[in-house]
Amino acid sequence: DTEVTQTPKHLVMGMTNKKSLKCEQHMGHRAMYWYKQKAKKPPELMFVYSYEKLSINESVPSRFSPECPNSSLLNLHLHALQPEDSALYLCASSQDPRTGWRTEAFFGQGTRLTVV
Amino acid sequence: TQLLEQSPQFLSIQEGENLTVYCNSSSVFSSLQWYRQEPGEGPVLLVTVVTGGEVKKLKRLTFQFGDARKDSSLHITAAQPGDTGLYLCAQTGANNLFFGTGTRLTVIP
Repeated sequence: DTEVTQTPKHLVMGMTNKKSLKCEQHMGHRAMYWYKQKAKKPPELMFVYSYEKLSINESVPSRFSPECPNSSLLNLHLHALQPEDSALYLCASSQDPRTGWRTEAFFGQGTRLTVV
Repeated sequence: TQLLEQSPQFLSIQEGENLTVYCNSSSVFSSLQWYRQEPGEGPVLLVTVVTGGEVKKLKRLTFQFGDARKDSSLHITAAQPGDTGLYLCAQTGANNLFFGTGTRLTVIP
């Protein structure tokens, strides 16, 4: 099983809503990532979790709140988003943060988020 | 974080043509990966290069890592419509992965 599963696939939310994106992998990977991808742009790193601890936060606004409840799950909690936050949100995982630079990152299909 | 510039940004070619995509950095890479992303999907790893001067082949794709490990190229021979997608080089760090600016390739049948 080399799959990273993201739910939901599509999400439309208002600026006052609270929603969560979910990501799951069962490959035993200990590094998990959230990326944001705008149309026709490359993915931009948002957060990195290493052994269930937040290790990198790329100056992401506090309206995005990540959570890693266990080694298989990664959530992204959304609150008071703006229309410009509309994008494809990708989750990824890789095997071992200590050797991450030599290992493959597996990506989910993403959640297409629209903020209205 | 290094700035990874890819060129060209967009490329539209006829089926059967050859093409080369470039990835350049202002600093030395520890290692570099190439990914392809198709519409509606996440990126999928094509190759990892580690050693300066390294050349790797994957069917019709040839990847080269510069001797100084500051640049890389991807050459596709006899492009097919199935090669259409966004090609991304990526800098790999201790536990992070930063993507280049991307090359969007369209192969016209």
